[in-house]
Amino acid sequence: KAGVTQTPRYLIKTRGQQVTLSCSPISGHRSVSWYQQTPGQGLQFLFEYFSETQRNKGNFPGRFSGRQFSNSRSEMNVSTLELGDSALYLCASSVGLANEQFFGPGTRLTVL
Amino acid sequence: GQQVMQIPQYQHVQEGEDFTTYCNSSTTLSNIQWYKQRPGGHPVFLIQLVKSGEVKKQKRLTFQFGEAKKNSSLHITATQTTDVGTYFCALLWGGNKLVFGAGTILRVKS
Repeated sequence: KAGVTQTPRYLIKTRGQQVTLSCSPISGHRSVSWYQQTPGQGLQFLFEYFSETQRNKGNFPGRFSGRQFSNSRSEMNVSTLELGDSALYLCASSVGLANEQFFGPGTRLTVL
Repeated sequence: GQQVMQIPQYQHVQEGEDFTTYCNSSTTLSNIQWYKQRPGGHPVFLIQLVKSGEVKKQKRLTFQFGEAKKNSSLHITATQTTDVGTYFCALLWGGNKLVFGAGTILRVKS
């Protein structure tokens, strides 16, 4: 079956702009989680959506938000971008957080 | 406080040598997962451990879950260049957040 897909793969933005990233999970998976990966902070949990509801949230400011659609596709939005938001943003789909996470290839965001 | 400690941060071995990475938590865990991320790639699930004292093997990889379910290890026997990458443990914290260890970067010299 098809894996997790993320678009776009690469993105360059400037400070103050906003960005929307997209994630299409594996068919049948209702849980989609988002992670920020940076060399200094490692893999940080952003939030998890399950059946269109945000179930869990990590320790990130309100500039980071997301949503999930009825087909389980998810989007993540970052407003008022800061230089420190430059990172690899990964999404993962699964049947639940306690189960195997299937990661997408990630979106590499660079904020100038 | 820090939920999971993973050590070492980095290990550079000669091909054929063994490698071990450890994860330690301050609290009892319901389960622990292990992932591998190749350079330039994304994390790929390796295994999940659930039972106290559990030991699982995948070819040259041996995974252990501590008796108290507070620590876990991943051991690779006779490393190969294909083992290069970062190994992460991940645990469900508070039942609602998946927390990853900082990862151990493995480099293999051939």
